[in-house]
Amino acid sequence: GAVVSQHPSWVICKSGTSVKIECRSLDFQATTMFWYRQFPKQSLMLMATSNEGSKATYEQGVEKDKFLINHASLTLSTLTVTSAHPEDSSFYICSARKTGRENTEAFFGQGTRLTVV
Amino acid sequence: GNSVTQMEGPVTLSEEAFLTINCTYTATGYPSLFWYVQYPGEGLQLLLKATKADDKGSNKGFEATYRKETTSFHLEKGSVQVSDSAVYFCALSSGGSNYKLTFGKGTLLTVNP
Repeated sequence: GAVVSQHPSWVICKSGTSVKIECRSLDFQATTMFWYRQFPKQSLMLMATSNEGSKATYEQGVEKDKFLINHASLTLSTLTVTSAHPEDSSFYICSARKTGRENTEAFFGQGTRLTVV
Repeated sequence: GNSVTQMEGPVTLSEEAFLTINCTYTATGYPSLFWYVQYPGEGLQLLLKATKADDKGSNKGFEATYRKETTSFHLEKGSVQVSDSAVYFCALSSGGSNYKLTFGKGTLLTVNP
């Protein structure tokens, strides 16, 4: 199998606080994980590519100091939304690709609904 | 750069109707093409994929053919069910060392009994 689990599934936080979202590959190793953001009725937008043991690569327009990504092991990547504001409220989804050049599919987590009040 | 264009939704059909959701793409090289489905309140699930021209991906009665000449990957199903109600995303990957997906905006499908 290829299961990716995100935690939490939903979270409500106060403006100004930080929130950490975990993405785990449960039954495979993932050298690379991806973080997406989905606004209501819009597509997923790639925020950053997370590589195990190195710094994440952020897409243009994404603030790396606001969205901290850590990929400390082959099965876990975390996204921390720092000093969250209501405009950060969104659906965040991670995906993970199995280690190895022959693996071309990305497996998605169930997503995390963040609401900042 | 890469881009994916999907037909605008929402699409509302009656059960057993024929479904087509159009998808065209722009990409460098030879991308892989995907359809993902997102059921209410859930994350994305891969529905089907095709990795080279003329390949047909199929799953759960859905089909899509990779048409390089028209840069298209239209999703079809001959007879939809209420349980097919979801958002469908067309996506592509151009591979490389930093694999990542470019998504279309998604098409909301509602199937009524």
